[in-house]
Amino acid sequence: TQLLEQSPQFLSIQEGENLTVYCNSSSVFSSLQWYRQEPGEGPVLLVTVVTGGEVKKLKRLTFQFGDARKDSSLHITAAQPGDTGLYLCAGRETSGSRLTFGEGTQLTVNP
Amino acid sequence: EAGVAQSPRYKIIEKRQSVAFWCNPISGHATLYWYQQILGQGPKLLIQFQNNGVVDDSQLPKDRFSAERLKGVDSTLKIQPAKLEDSAVYLCASSFSNSYEQYFGPGTRLTVT
Repeated sequence: TQLLEQSPQFLSIQEGENLTVYCNSSSVFSSLQWYRQEPGEGPVLLVTVVTGGEVKKLKRLTFQFGDARKDSSLHITAAQPGDTGLYLCAGRETSGSRLTFGEGTQLTVNP
Repeated sequence: EAGVAQSPRYKIIEKRQSVAFWCNPISGHATLYWYQQILGQGPKLLIQFQNNGVVDDSQLPKDRFSAERLKGVDSTLKIQPAKLEDSAVYLCASSFSNSYEQYFGPGTRLTVT
């Protein structure tokens, strides 16, 4: 099983600040996804990146897939309290269809 | 469009008891997944179905866990007998065949005492 490490594990910031969450692996993934999970709910897909070096933007969120398809980052600009949640990266193995999740980054944005 | 439905939402049992979880996927989704999410960790795939066939159950503890999707729609996941370390949220997800996008249900929070 390919492993994904996320950092930081916890992040508490003030409204309006910028932040970056990292997702790293020693393995290559065919694609990588970012999910957001709120308490008592299942993860919700934010984005899928497929090509090495790919950058996708979703409003104030910017996602990047590393050139070697081993790592990814999520950057949030001007964070808002509504961004609070658990952010999970998940990679699809090159050898099959299984999705491997990182352990998540718990983000708290204080008003 | 209705999302993935799961029941029950919460369950508390004693160790060595048995428990079953139910999942109804989004209509038309051929692929169904069961994940285990232990507190502080990301979801871990337990089993993946394509219609009523098993695609991947390599991470399912088969001595105590079983799952079925007899008619290719609803699915049940059973634990018998439960252990303390089975305390977790059990998530069901579904997707169209060969789709990157999985839709998750709200999960069942299991507490084993």
